[in-house]
Amino acid sequence: AQKITQTQPGMFVQEKEAVTLDCTYDTSDPSYGLFWYKQPSSGEMIFLIYQGSYDQQNATEGRYSLNFQKARKSANLVISASQLGDSAMYFCATRTGANSKLTFGKGITLSVRP
Amino acid sequence: GAGVSQSPSNKVTEKGKDVELRCDPISGHTALYWYRQSLGQGLEFLIYFQGNSAPDKSGLPSDRFSAERTGGSVSTLTIQRTQQEDSAVYLCASTAQTGFGSKEAFFGQGTRLTVV
Repeated sequence: AQKITQTQPGMFVQEKEAVTLDCTYDTSDPSYGLFWYKQPSSGEMIFLIYQGSYDQQNATEGRYSLNFQKARKSANLVISASQLGDSAMYFCATRTGANSKLTFGKGITLSVRP
Repeated sequence: GAGVSQSPSNKVTEKGKDVELRCDPISGHTALYWYRQSLGQGLEFLIYFQGNSAPDKSGLPSDRFSAERTGGSVSTLTIQRTQQEDSAVYLCASTAQTGFGSKEAFFGQGTRLTVV
């Protein structure tokens, strides 16, 4: 079974600074994918970034990067140069194999201060 | 359609009534998920459909909940004899499963269910 852990309480960051959101996972399958989603107050779920378990390099998408430490089973999201619009809830998720469900963590609330 | 469509967007129902929530996934997407999200909480997995395989119903909280997916496309989540604790946003997502599951899931806007 897959398990995602996001234990940070509400996070605060100053505008233009970088912030790291933690995510650890537990799976026995050697093949898996890791996803991060953003959910602003409007409620929509926005896909941010993907990391495959066999990817040699950390994924990056614009201001988002993933600090993937496979041996530690962690996939932390780094947001550089925070913007006010980054204030939202952030969810880490995983899926193993080609035909298994997408499992989400409980999420982390990020607030960006001006 | 261009995205995942859910209807209705809002539903208020009386305790004890049955409700049906509809999800129209992105055309061609073989996998479809239902999640439930209570206010300020995470996403609770309910059910997962993948192609012609038997659905993964392991997240359904009780036998009052059921879901079907007709013709591999539209899905309906049915809640019978609704209770106040069923009040939540019900999210549907679909994904194109092409080989190893590297494809992100696309979410609908959700149905906000309020049981009074």
